[in-house]
Amino acid sequence: GQQLNQSPQSMFIQEGEDVSMNCTSSSIFNTWLWYKQDPGEGPVLLIALYKAGELTSNGRLTAQFGITRKDSFLNISASIPSDVGIYFCAGQIQGAQKLVFGQGTRLTINP
Amino acid sequence: DGGITQSPKYLFRKEGQNVTLSCEQNLNHDAMYWYRQDPGQGLRLIYYSQIVNDFQKGDIAEGYSVSREKKESFPLTVTSAQKNPTAFYLCASSNPGGPTQETQYFGPGTRLLVL
Repeated sequence: GQQLNQSPQSMFIQEGEDVSMNCTSSSIFNTWLWYKQDPGEGPVLLIALYKAGELTSNGRLTAQFGITRKDSFLNISASIPSDVGIYFCAGQIQGAQKLVFGQGTRLTINP
Repeated sequence: DGGITQSPKYLFRKEGQNVTLSCEQNLNHDAMYWYRQDPGQGLRLIYYSQIVNDFQKGDIAEGYSVSREKKESFPLTVTSAQKNPTAFYLCASSNPGGPTQETQYFGPGTRLLVL
């Protein structure tokens, strides 16, 4: 069943705006990962988080591992056209081997 | 450069035919995974392998088979028993037990279409 809730499902923004998306769960996670997928391509890892409260940046991207270990968010500042794509969160639930994935957030940018 | 390669990029299957998707990695990762992605949906795990000569079923293994004879290779066969094979197939690898734990890296994907 659904173990990760990712929101929003889609976003339509103007170039230059900031973006925020998040993933929540009722389960406790050991790892949170954020990926970006372009059409017809495989997901590319953006940011990996391994500790509760961890805040990590990658250029204009910032992600945080929630202090409760049940959520994570990704922010994109000053969006540009190449930020268009689908962003997925993924996480490893405590005690489980496999990753679980969010449904994705589709980002569209109007120039 | 280190990475994961998948071939072919596009694959066409006829009714009743088995087809095999290739996945190779030179990252020296122990674990490899196969996922299926349908439009507008997240990734669903088909099979995974934590070590050579061993693999486990994921959430949607029916109609698929795999082998793991070499560390760098994890081919996926879509059998005729898979009645709805049209999808985007993604291979991934990771180095569990290392400092990056379950961080998975993905290949470019293979799109399978049924004729």
